[in-house]
Amino acid sequence: ETGVTQTPRHLVMGMTNKKSLKCEQHLGHNAMYWYKQSAKKPLELMFVYNFKEQTENNSVPSRFSPECPNSSHLFLHLHTLQPEDSALYLCASSQESGANTGELFFGEGSRLTVL
Amino acid sequence: KQEVTQIPAALSVPEGENLVLNCSFTDSAIYNLQWFRQDPGKGLTSLLLIQSSQREQTSGRLNASLDKSSGRSTLYIAASQPGDSATYLCAPANQAGTALIFGKGTTLSVSS
Repeated sequence: ETGVTQTPRHLVMGMTNKKSLKCEQHLGHNAMYWYKQSAKKPLELMFVYNFKEQTENNSVPSRFSPECPNSSHLFLHLHTLQPEDSALYLCASSQESGANTGELFFGEGSRLTVL
Repeated sequence: KQEVTQIPAALSVPEGENLVLNCSFTDSAIYNLQWFRQDPGKGLTSLLLIQSSQREQTSGRLNASLDKSSGRSTLYIAASQPGDSATYLCAPANQAGTALIFGKGTTLSVSS
């Protein structure tokens, strides 16, 4: 039990599908993050939310659409993805982002395969 | 833009050896630096967090040091065990941004 729960753990979708990844944290944190992990590459930061406000969008294509309805939940909506978007998508949370970033806690990830 | 380099990329050792994993970063203006381990196909587990004002942190057989001015951190693993086999990642938290930036990691294999 990591305190950060991601669903689904595995997802296979076609390029025309629409799906969503969900992340929930039970740690009372105020910052949540989406990272992408592709083979042979470092983790890539996608989005940061601090107190429900998006504070960073790391030039992510619009086919990825984040949503943060409250400090405990974070979604990544997916539509018209490409095969190169296949990766492990990791959600994380921390007390805050920026100057008061403390320890970062990760979920187990959602393994996405785009056919 | 912060760049993080971890050396070596891979390491294989027999059980019982003491190890040093290296991490360097280009922008020394950081709030803290965190070390993680990742098992294959899994998420990341936090190992140690060093604040920018600290020189080192210890947890069990793990000791991490930070030399912020030279942009370096090391993770020392004492008396390695097969269960230590994993990928180890370091990630500084930049003052210029809002999130941690990661290196590619060091993949460690400890044989019994």
